[in-house]
Amino acid sequence: EIVLTQSPGTLSLSPGERATLSCRASQIISNNYLAWYQHKPGQAPRLLIYDASRRATGIPDRFSGSGSATDFTLTISRLEPEDFAVYYCQQYGNSAPETFGQGTKVEIK
Amino acid sequence: QVQLQESGPGLVKSSETLSLTCTVSGGSISSYYWSWVRQPPGKGLEWIGYIYYSGSTNYNPSLGSRVTISVDTSKNQFFLKLSSVTAADTAVYFCARGGWSKDLWGQGTLVTVS
Repeated sequence: EIVLTQSPGTLSLSPGERATLSCRASQIISNNYLAWYQHKPGQAPRLLIYDASRRATGIPDRFSGSGSATDFTLTISRLEPEDFAVYYCQQYGNSAPETFGQGTKVEIK
Repeated sequence: QVQLQESGPGLVKSSETLSLTCTVSGGSISSYYWSWVRQPPGKGLEWIGYIYYSGSTNYNPSLGSRVTISVDTSKNQFFLKLSSVTAADTAVYFCARGGWSKDLWGQGTLVTVS
């Protein structure tokens, strides 16, 4: 099984700042099949990025994904108040099982 | 727009079977993969498995033979059964659309195993 390690665990930033979240895989993710989700308590998770860099429908362009092989990054160019949440990466590129990272919490500084 | 809603008992006794339903509204269940994902309290997300609308399935090996996912296209619903539950199965259970990346999720339902 591929283990995804997200860093940092918590990111304390102010609105307007840039957020850079990392997701590192224990082995190469085939076809860069990696997604990023935003999750707020009590709400449905929201797909932001799929295939490492493709923005999902309706996602603002301040969210961008990059990376390949084992190292991936989610960047939020300028944090809006609604962006403070937990972010998860997920790989679906190899034979089962799909796995998720443990999450990065982006909190207001 | 398409919405997903989980339903089922919030409390299940240890060693019994957890059964949940996901109802898809505002769109057809056909032509998509449908998934179950769970989140134990204070922990991250764990993929349980997925089903294609035609009935083919793929499960997380960590759950072994305890998990069964099925679909009823006439009702626009799909289902999760998890047998022989223990306290470790206490979690918020989410249903989602997609067999790989998941572009639509329900809000989740908490199931506690006592």
